[in-house]
Amino acid sequence: EDQVTQSPEALRLQEGESSSLNCSYTVSGLRGLFWYRQDPGKGPEFLFTLYSAGEEKEKERLKATLTKKESFLHITAPKPEDSATYLCAVAGDTGFQKLVFGTGTRLLVSP
Amino acid sequence: GAGVSQSPSNKVTEKGKDVELRCDPISGHTALYWYRQSLGQGLEFLIYFQGNSAPDKSGLPSDRFSAERTGGSVSTLTIQRTQQEDSAVYLCASSRRGGNSPLHFGNGTRLTVT
Repeated sequence: EDQVTQSPEALRLQEGESSSLNCSYTVSGLRGLFWYRQDPGKGPEFLFTLYSAGEEKEKERLKATLTKKESFLHITAPKPEDSATYLCAVAGDTGFQKLVFGTGTRLLVSP
Repeated sequence: GAGVSQSPSNKVTEKGKDVELRCDPISGHTALYWYRQSLGQGLEFLIYFQGNSAPDKSGLPSDRFSAERTGGSVSTLTIQRTQQEDSAVYLCASSRRGGNSPLHFGNGTRLTVT
């Protein structure tokens, strides 16, 4: 059974304090790993797709990396507006339509 | 442009009643998905529609759950004889062509069964 575990569950940072979020996964036949951002009361918002080990994607202060067992979301010099829950999901042999999500990391960035 | 629209945003119902949740996807998107987000759990796949193909219903938790998509656009998720364990946020998403196209989610319907 495909599984995604995210850590830590919650993270508090000071503005400008860089850190990383972890997504460990077990999946049969990885087709893609996805990162989403979710604000309270909103639906998830797409950030990145990674397809193979060694791949990296960047967007503003965020950089996602992928190995054969885990993905990291690196946040460089975060700002309060980066506060959100970050979700990781994988697509395996069952197809892209059946994403398996982790429970997320709640990030709070204080000014 | 307009995003995925879901209605109602909140629904409180009594145990045993039927409920209908509506989703208007982004215009031109051929793929539509329903996921469920329960407290403390990750999003759970329910059902997937792609064009005129038969839907993938493999995530529906019981035969009390059903969904349809009319005219390749609007979708309705129906839960019959609701139970307390059905309480969750029901999220609809659409994507341009399915496959690895990014999902665009609506803001969900929060369902509370009392």
